[in-house]
Formats: sequence, structure tokens, C-alpha cells
Amino acid sequence: QLQLQESGPGLVKPSETLSLTCTVSGGSISSNSYYWGWIRQPPGKGLEWIGSIYYSGRTYYNPSLKSRVTISVDTSKNQFSLKLSSVTAADTAVYYCARLLSPLSSGMDVWGQGTTVTVSS
Amino acid sequence: DIQMTQSPSTLSASVGDRVTITCRASQSISSWLAWYQQKPGKAPKLLIYKASSLESGVPLRFSGSGSGTEFTLTISSLQPDDFATYYCQQYNSYSWTFGQGTKVEIK
Repeated sequence: QLQLQESGPGLVKPSETLSLTCTVSGGSISSNSYYWGWIRQPPGKGLEWIGSIYYSGRTYYNPSLKSRVTISVDTSKNQFSLKLSSVTAADTAVYYCARLLSPLSSGMDVWGQGTTVTVSS
Repeated sequence: DIQMTQSPSTLSASVGDRVTITCRASQSISSWLAWYQQKPGKAPKLLIYKASSLESGVPLRFSGSGSGTEFTLTISSLQPDDFATYYCQQYNSYSWTFGQGTKVEIK
């Protein structure tokens, strides 16, 4: 059974870079049937797609975050990662990683449990 | 960017009620719409994809319909486990957008 697990610092200082990793277990990140993505949810608010990546390294980003986001993949470790630069309090959220089905219209069927990141000095 | 608008934002209903949630897209997205259920402190769960396809393991009381810009999620007979927040999500040209959510509360 495929599982995703987010990891990374729970506290990040303003203006610094938020870095998270999603470890995929029970399946290969290199499958050509899936994409992988990051989604976040500020406290008490809705879901926001951050970006997605294919195992080849091809990336797609939310235009509103594109200038600050980098998503990468490490197939040897079965992981993909998120970096969000120049963070502010508005970036405080629960960050989820998820598997995106192919074709991409088929939704996100497996999610990590989420990790809370707080931006504060 | 394609914007997704859900209505209502909050819905009060009783066990056994038929519940309908609407999601409207700012431009046509064909049938590239998914619905998710989220409970407090948990990750979202995929219910419906491609507007009307039921994800494996999801109860048959959930159904989705629509195409173009208007979509609906229907719960035919609300069960205690269904009180949660529901989100629609569109996919178009390697970009995804969620609606703002509809909270289904106990009446």
C-alpha cells in the first residue's frame, strides 16, 4: 500500500527558506502513471495547490507562488522535495504531499498526513 | 487562472437528508473536476474524479455530475460519518485549483 510521509522543520523564520521532503513508500516514484504534488492549508482555511512534479523532473507551479517555489525529485531515494523562499507569516500552514493520478484529470488519490509549518521569529 | 466557487459555504443538514453542493468554474474545464472530503486534522480524501467517476471504496450514496462550468456533488442520504468539509478541484493545462470548501454541519 502506497504511503507518503512529509518531513522537515516545523518552525521557519521570516525571510528564510522552507524546506520539506515527501518520502514515498510501498511504490516507486518513477512510475510513469503518476505525478506528485504539494498542497497547503493555512489554519482554518481552504486548500491551495503549490506545485507538481513528474519523476523526470518536469515541474508545474502555482502562478501565485512560482517566483518562490522549487520542487525537485530524487528517484534514488524515492523522495520529492519542496523549497519555498522568502517566507512570511502568510506561509504558515499544514503542508501536504500527494500522488496525482494520470491522466491528470483523475485527481489526487493518496495523501500524506500533513506537516505543520509555522513561520515566526 | 481558473477560479472555483463553491456554494453554499456552510450547509446544515440531518442524517438521512439528500445534500447537494455546487461548484462553478470561471471557464469551461470539460469534466476535469474532482471532489474531496476532509475531516478536522486529516488529509483530504478523494471521492469523485472526472466529475462523475466514483473513487474505489467510496460509498454509492456519493455521486457527482456536471460538465463545462457547473458541477454538483450529491449525497443521497447523509450519514453521521459524512459531516465534514467538501472541496471541489479543477485540473486544466497542468494547473490545479480548489474551491473554498463547503462545511456540512449537523442540523
